Amino acid sequence: DQQVKQNSPSLSVQEGRISILNCDYTNSMFDYFLWYKKYPAEGPTFLISISSIKDKNEDGRFTVFLNKSAKHLSLHIVPSQPGDSAVYFCAASKAAGNKLTFGGGTRVLVKP
Amino acid sequence: EPEVTQTPSHQVTQMGQEVILRCVPISNHLYFYWYRQILGQKVEFLVSFYNNEISEKSEIFDDQFSVERPDGSNFTLKIRSTKLEDSAMYFCASSELAGVNEQFFGPGTRLTVL
Repeated sequence: DQQVKQNSPSLSVQEGRISILNCDYTNSMFDYFLWYKKYPAEGPTFLISISSIKDKNEDGRFTVFLNKSAKHLSLHIVPSQPGDSAVYFCAASKAAGNKLTFGGGTRVLVKP
Repeated sequence: EPEVTQTPSHQVTQMGQEVILRCVPISNHLYFYWYRQILGQKVEFLVSFYNNEISEKSEIFDDQFSVERPDGSNFTLKIRSTKLEDSAMYFCASSELAGVNEQFFGPGTRLTVL
């Protein structure tokens, strides 16, 4: 199932700099997009979401941008902190309450 | 802060045996889900449950799988006759209401089928 893709399997960034994670989708029926963070041996932790009627949503250090025409979203983390080192998953759903379709994840390493 | 809990954290079983994975969703949540992640692969949807019935299921969720909400707090996933390929992390998730899309995940149960 390639409906949601994260083309960068890993990302390394210096502490204090910006981390930019990208996600592409193919299904135009997707209406909600979410980002999750996952540490080893833990479940995904919800970070931030955006609905298709918006193009930007911000929560503290995290900002999600949505480009519907390009079927692309990105997550910006600024400034990056060592505790941000984790795997980040992009997910999409067609409506509230519906199943999430996940991307393959991007492993982020923030170097002190 | 309320959280989704899952037991056991790790389950080892022999092929062909039945397993029951347990979850306690967040108490005021109404939608419940099971996902799994096979090692090295994506997190994939299994089933969603609302108002005491399955609302959606994936192709993976065949007759060997069932879900139940036996009381007001637990949500279980049963695999009747486990196969080697059922080995995975199984995540339970819950969400609050229609119109709220964020799903909150438990820590997972690692199922190992020998």
